[in-house]
Amino acid sequence: NAGVTQTPKFQVLKTGQSMTLQCAQDMNHNSMYWYRQDPGMGLRLIYYSASEGTTDKGEVPNGYNVSRLNKREFSLRLESAAPSQTSVYFCASAGAASGNTIYFGEGSWLTVV
Amino acid sequence: QKEVEQNSGPLSVPEGAIASLNCTYSDRVSQSFFWYRQYSGKSPELIMSIYSNGDKEDGRFTAQLNKASQYVSLLIRDSQPSDSATYLCAVNRWDYKLSFGAGTTVTVRA
Repeated sequence: NAGVTQTPKFQVLKTGQSMTLQCAQDMNHNSMYWYRQDPGMGLRLIYYSASEGTTDKGEVPNGYNVSRLNKREFSLRLESAAPSQTSVYFCASAGAASGNTIYFGEGSWLTVV
Repeated sequence: QKEVEQNSGPLSVPEGAIASLNCTYSDRVSQSFFWYRQYSGKSPELIMSIYSNGDKEDGRFTAQLNKASQYVSLLIRDSQPSDSATYLCAVNRWDYKLSFGAGTTVTVRA
């Protein structure tokens, strides 16, 4: 009964380092999302994937890349981390089987120093 | 103009009272509307979805939608301390991406 699983849960990076946030869902959903959440800003969409093999920019894509490896997995990569990317990152998925309701992973707390 | 705007809060209500949360949206073609609850340090969880004009009730929660006014609200009746959380309004955009408001923090005083 995993739902949406994302790793790592916590990470500290130095400015300029790279890293990849991993996300997997076991609900057979077509759509997957990466959001970031900052105090007072709500959830902002970074990238979206409507199906395997497709990705689309969201509201705040600069500094990020994504890969929809297969239907289950959607990864988010920071090529050169900046302090402005310190945030909580949420992966989410949605599909027709669940009425297109978006379900969230538990979040990844990223600090860039 | 932000796509989804919520009353900024924080909102403090006594236990047993009604908490009223408001949300407006800018995209007229939006068809799906959601309320999520988020406890501190946790991920958002869906508490209500509404698709048609009018009211939808689920336990102590009632969602109200008025598409003509581009307005959606959430009422929490008989508020409990466990309802203390941030409530996020979300709207499905024309391109099926979900857009969120900044959230309203609710505190229920015992």
